[in-house]
Amino acid sequence: KNEVEQSPQNLTAQEGEFITINCSYSVGISALHWLQQHPGGGIVSLFMLSSGKKKHGRLIATINIQEKHSSLHITASHPRDSAVYICAGPPGSQGNLIFGKGTKLSVKP
Amino acid sequence: GAVVSQHPSRVICKSGTSVKIECRSLDFQATTMFWYRQFPKKSLMLMATSNEGSKATYEQGVEKDKFLINHASLTLSTLTVTSAHPEDSSFYICSGIEGGGAGKPQHFGDGTRLSIL
Repeated sequence: KNEVEQSPQNLTAQEGEFITINCSYSVGISALHWLQQHPGGGIVSLFMLSSGKKKHGRLIATINIQEKHSSLHITASHPRDSAVYICAGPPGSQGNLIFGKGTKLSVKP
Repeated sequence: GAVVSQHPSRVICKSGTSVKIECRSLDFQATTMFWYRQFPKKSLMLMATSNEGSKATYEQGVEKDKFLINHASLTLSTLTVTSAHPEDSSFYICSGIEGGGAGKPQHFGDGTRLSIL
């Protein structure tokens, strides 16, 4: 069993829809990362959070440490949001990450 | 935000060739660099952790003589795939942390797609 599980694996939405991607983890992590990977492979760090909620533009990330669960929300989705969204956490003190398998999001115009 | 420049972005070469991938932190000092590998439709997996000025720590199953990592300065880490074979074809990506530790943001390079013929 993967220590970081994401759902759904694939998600297709219409432009404007509200998107939610979920992440559950079984390891004790100090902070959870949400990353965005574009088709070319490059990765952009969206959020790093250890409690509560963070917002950046149309993106919102929440985390519940007790339940070991995090969600990434995208409001008013747009085709340019199409990418793979990955949650990841550092299982130890070094800072290296273990990754979920990613959620492939396609937003149709 | 902090930037990590990774080169080359794509390499196609013959079996037996050695390939060097560079990662440079442009506006911060990367005390720690991580090297990850991603096979098609799979999660990113950690290959090795390198701290500036010391030997890299390799994950189980990663051959240190095959994947040479050098982190000689706070702004440059290199991964050399020696005598590459088709099974080494993969997507390689680095990330850097300033100051080390699990509570710091990670800054990723754009990755290198390696194809060995």
